[in-house]
Amino acid sequence: GAGVSQSPSNKVTEKGKDVELRCDPISGHTALYWYRQSLGQGLEFLIYFQGNSAPDKSGLPSDRFSAERTGGSVSTLTIQRTQQEDSAVYLCASSFTGNNSPLHFGNGTRLTVT
Amino acid sequence: QKEVEQDPGPLSVPEGAIVSLNCTYSNSAFQYFMWYRQYSRKGPELLMYTYSSGNKEDGRFTAQVDKSSKYISLFIRDSQPSDSATYLCAPSYGNNRLAFGKGNQVVVIP
Repeated sequence: GAGVSQSPSNKVTEKGKDVELRCDPISGHTALYWYRQSLGQGLEFLIYFQGNSAPDKSGLPSDRFSAERTGGSVSTLTIQRTQQEDSAVYLCASSFTGNNSPLHFGNGTRLTVT
Repeated sequence: QKEVEQDPGPLSVPEGAIVSLNCTYSNSAFQYFMWYRQYSRKGPELLMYTYSSGNKEDGRFTAQVDKSSKYISLFIRDSQPSDSATYLCAPSYGNNRLAFGKGNQVVVIP
């Protein structure tokens, strides 16, 4: 079946612009995660959605970052006033439940801020 | 101290060799231990999943967890060029919040 889909696959933006990254999780998966992967670094947790519960935003690095998940399905990660240090691969993952079921990752959005 | 430490490599081995990858962690509360494989420009995919200490084997892959020393290992037997990837260890508290290491880059040379 279809996996986690992310768009765009690549995004180049100018410093100071806002960007929106989209994630379409696997149908039926209630949990959705956003991670950031910078060059030479591990995956950095950003935010976690589980069903209708309030999201766990504890990993968002600043108030320029926000995310929403509409209708328990598609999620959008928004970065306002982008900075060069925001350049990274943004990975979305979904899982069947939030309780140790395996994470299925998309191929990410490679963001470059010039 | 970082929660999860991995030597990023790269580790280059000839085809057919045994690959040994290691990871250490600091939080004794971790109960679940996962290895993800990530090919270049792709998202990570789950490779192995173990609970608590012990060994788990799946084909050419063996995962070992030693909770007493907070040490996680992954062994790949009869390595193939298709095994060339980055391997991420990811322990978990059990609530699906994974703590990822930086990953071990492996290159298998034909």
